[in-house]
Amino acid sequence: QKEVEQDPGPLSVPEGAIVSLNCTYSNSAFQYFMWYRQYSRKGPELLMYTYSSGNKEDGRFTAQVDKSSKYISLFIRDSQPSDSATYLCAMGRNRDDKIIFGKGTRLHILP
Amino acid sequence: DADVTQTPRNRITKTGKRIMLECSQTKGHDRMYWYRQDPGLGLRLIYYSFDVKDINKGEISDGYSVSRQAQAKFSLSLESAIPNQTALYFCATSDHRATDTQYFGPGTRLTVL
Repeated sequence: QKEVEQDPGPLSVPEGAIVSLNCTYSNSAFQYFMWYRQYSRKGPELLMYTYSSGNKEDGRFTAQVDKSSKYISLFIRDSQPSDSATYLCAMGRNRDDKIIFGKGTRLHILP
Repeated sequence: DADVTQTPRNRITKTGKRIMLECSQTKGHDRMYWYRQDPGLGLRLIYYSFDVKDINKGEISDGYSVSRQAQAKFSLSLESAIPNQTALYFCATSDHRATDTQYFGPGTRLTVL
């Protein structure tokens, strides 16, 4: 079993819909959970950061962590065509260690 | 100006050639990383350096070497390039207090014929 699993998509949804992106993981030592967004021909950039379990909201984005199920989610409300990108989950054991990335999910928001 | 720069941005080379990819950063970060990205395989860590005197192998270091010339510079070399090293290569940096927050360069698209 890979440490981090993420469905590569592509996922196509109409503009204005709620998008749900997910990752599962196997290492219970992971404490820090991130979502990176990568536009075409660009490097990834940090979008959301969560420590341990719980929710974090930032504008239209909500990150959710369920450590008991080893499952993390990113929700995008009122999706826009500008949200079309690849979304990579990432996680780490502590802030002093390297992080492990998921393979990324390609998201297309249809106007 | 970009905080993390990579040169070249695109490179086409032939099998057996030696290639060097360079990364520079102005963020003042002590930690630097090299990743490669392939369709369906995501981002995979090649090498990382937590400071100038520290070099560590990542998940897929075979066929690659690195040099940390200064805190701001980290180069990746392919001693004898092969076609399956065709990929998108990213350099990233982070502060030691927040290794999980990484800042990526724009990438180098390398094609080995």
